[in-house]
Amino acid sequence: QQQVKQSPQSLIVQKGGISIINCAYENTAFDYFPWYQQFPGKGPALLIAIRPDVSEKKEGRFTISFNKSAKQFSLHIMDSQPGDSATYFCAAGTGGTSYGKLTFGQGTILTVHP
Amino acid sequence: NAGVMQNPRHLVRRRGQEARLRCSPMKGHSHVYWYRQLPEEGLKFMVYLQKENIIDESGMPKERFSAEFPKEGPSILRIQQVVRGDSAAYFCATSSQQVNEKLFFGSGTQLSVL
Repeated sequence: QQQVKQSPQSLIVQKGGISIINCAYENTAFDYFPWYQQFPGKGPALLIAIRPDVSEKKEGRFTISFNKSAKQFSLHIMDSQPGDSATYFCAAGTGGTSYGKLTFGQGTILTVHP
Repeated sequence: NAGVMQNPRHLVRRRGQEARLRCSPMKGHSHVYWYRQLPEEGLKFMVYLQKENIIDESGMPKERFSAEFPKEGPSILRIQQVVRGDSAAYFCATSSQQVNEKLFFGSGTQLSVL
């Protein structure tokens, strides 16, 4: 019940295209859904996050879409750039102990070709 | 303003030795989280600490692993009698009391057990 399932495992997109990564969760207690970006040899960095009271959040080229009834959320990267090539992780958390205790998806390796 | 500092970056140990991983939080951060990342997997929560207190250790293996965050100095993740299965990247993340959902990750310690 604590799992967060992420797909696809890897994704190849042409420069200027749209990258879409999907996640699904089971635990309805989750109320915080961040996305992290990780470059090789670095720690994950928070990209964008959403709470279940909204269905969409946009920051620049990055958008989270959230479907509470389906227990799914997705990351859309518009106008994908080679510099976006990285591993992306979705995560979910609750405020019970702390929102810093997150359950992560397995990750998606995104490659953007020039 | 220095970020989250982890050291060493790489640590090689032989089976049965002890591994000590250190994490210095960002200035003003009092919450520390340790995560473990196995190859081609997402991050797994291990433990959540505040100064001198373990708040949540539900992700820690029952034996050989311990963590502390003393009043002075960095947080330490200690692994006694390491085994090959302990080989992984260990990440520390920190947050402030006021915005505890925004985690800042260090660059990690890559532990290799020979």
